[in-house]
Amino acid sequence: AQKVTQAQTEISVVEKEDVTLDCVYETRDTTYYLFWYKQPPSGELVFLIRRNSFDEQNEISGRYSWNFQKSTSSFNFTITASQVVDSAVYFCALHLFQGAQKLVFGQGTRLTINP
Amino acid sequence: DVKVTQSSRYLVKRTGEKVFLECVQDMDHENMFWYRQDPGLGLRLIYFSYDVKMKEKGDIPEGYSVSREKKERFSLILESASTNQTSMYLCASNPGRGPSYNSPLHFGNGTRLTVT
Repeated sequence: AQKVTQAQTEISVVEKEDVTLDCVYETRDTTYYLFWYKQPPSGELVFLIRRNSFDEQNEISGRYSWNFQKSTSSFNFTITASQVVDSAVYFCALHLFQGAQKLVFGQGTRLTINP
Repeated sequence: DVKVTQSSRYLVKRTGEKVFLECVQDMDHENMFWYRQDPGLGLRLIYFSYDVKMKEKGDIPEGYSVSREKKERFSLILESASTNQTSMYLCASNPGRGPSYNSPLHFGNGTRLTVT
């Protein structure tokens, strides 16, 4: 069975702190894709990153970085020097290469950045 | 810019009513999806469609149906609304044909449905 677990339900930090959102996935497939989405208070999920299972290189985009480790089935997301605008619900998701096109989402982590 | 529009932001319906949730995308995407979002459960797929008049069941299709008469429009139908269908409903779309296409989804703002 495919499953995504985001164990942190809510995180609250003070602005400028670094914060890491955890994502652990389960799948028996060797080919798959992992995603992170951001859901601000407006409600619309916004795509942040896609990573395929053959590319374990970490990625950095401005203050955002992602650490993909197949050995621990984790795809963690770090925000450096957090800002109030980073406050949102963040979802990790798994897409299998074979079979019907379905994203399996984690439960989401609500991140609050306090000024 | 990509746009997925859901017709209502908030809806309140009574138990037993037939409810229509409408979604329109202006990007000529082949694939469209309906998810529901509940606290602690994340997003769960209800139905999706690869093309006009095509539909596939997701993980929780019971109590729902869908209609896709035109490429740009994907409707979610609650045949007889029940209180356990109170939720946030999110529509999404992405381009590409076939079951394995993995292009990122574009989401609408959601419809918060309350069934009393």
